Amino acid sequence: DTEVTQTPKHLVMGMTNKKSLKCEQHMGHRAMYWYKQKAKKPPELMFVYSYEKLSINESVPSRFSPECPNSSLLNLHLHALQPEDSALYLCASSGIGFLYQETQYFGPGTRLLVL
Amino acid sequence: GIQVEQSPPDLILQEGANSTLRCNFSDSVNNLQWFHQNPWGQLINLFYIPSGTKQNGRLSATTVATERYSLLYISSSQTTDSGVYFCAARSGAGSYQLTFGKGTKLSVIP
Repeated sequence: DTEVTQTPKHLVMGMTNKKSLKCEQHMGHRAMYWYKQKAKKPPELMFVYSYEKLSINESVPSRFSPECPNSSLLNLHLHALQPEDSALYLCASSGIGFLYQETQYFGPGTRLLVL
Repeated sequence: GIQVEQSPPDLILQEGANSTLRCNFSDSVNNLQWFHQNPWGQLINLFYIPSGTKQNGRLSATTVATERYSLLYISSSQTTDSGVYFCAARSGAGSYQLTFGKGTKLSVIP
């Protein structure tokens, strides 16, 4: 099973709301990623967790707060977002080390609209 | 960091035609992947191919690591092949970051 699941599929929120995006994988992967994708652009890396620890934060504003409660789950907490944060948010996971080939598998994404 | 360039940016094909998409990268890679993003936004893994040649049905890919390019071949294209094809590469041991090219938008018309 090479499936990464994400909820919700769509989210509309106001600038004062707090919401969370969720991602789950059961492939035994120990690296998990959040990407942001604007229309007609490639995905841009936001965060990387390896072994449940934050290893990369690509200068993302603090209104985005990632969390990795265990090796299968990844959350992205959203607070006080701006309309320009509207985008497709993609979660991915991969193995670590040459035995796994480190192929990244992506979830279906959450389409976020900030009003 | 590594630079990834894809060509062509747009491609329109008649159903049944063949096509070749190209990905050039600026550094040696230890991870190179091809993805298809469908109209609903799902990024689908096509190939993990840092070197060599692989085939999966009507799709095949070749990476010539020494010359820093990869090719994706689509044969007998179908309308369901439409979407954006991304190449993504990573260089450097211990690095997790995949750098994406800007993509090739493929439209297959009946």
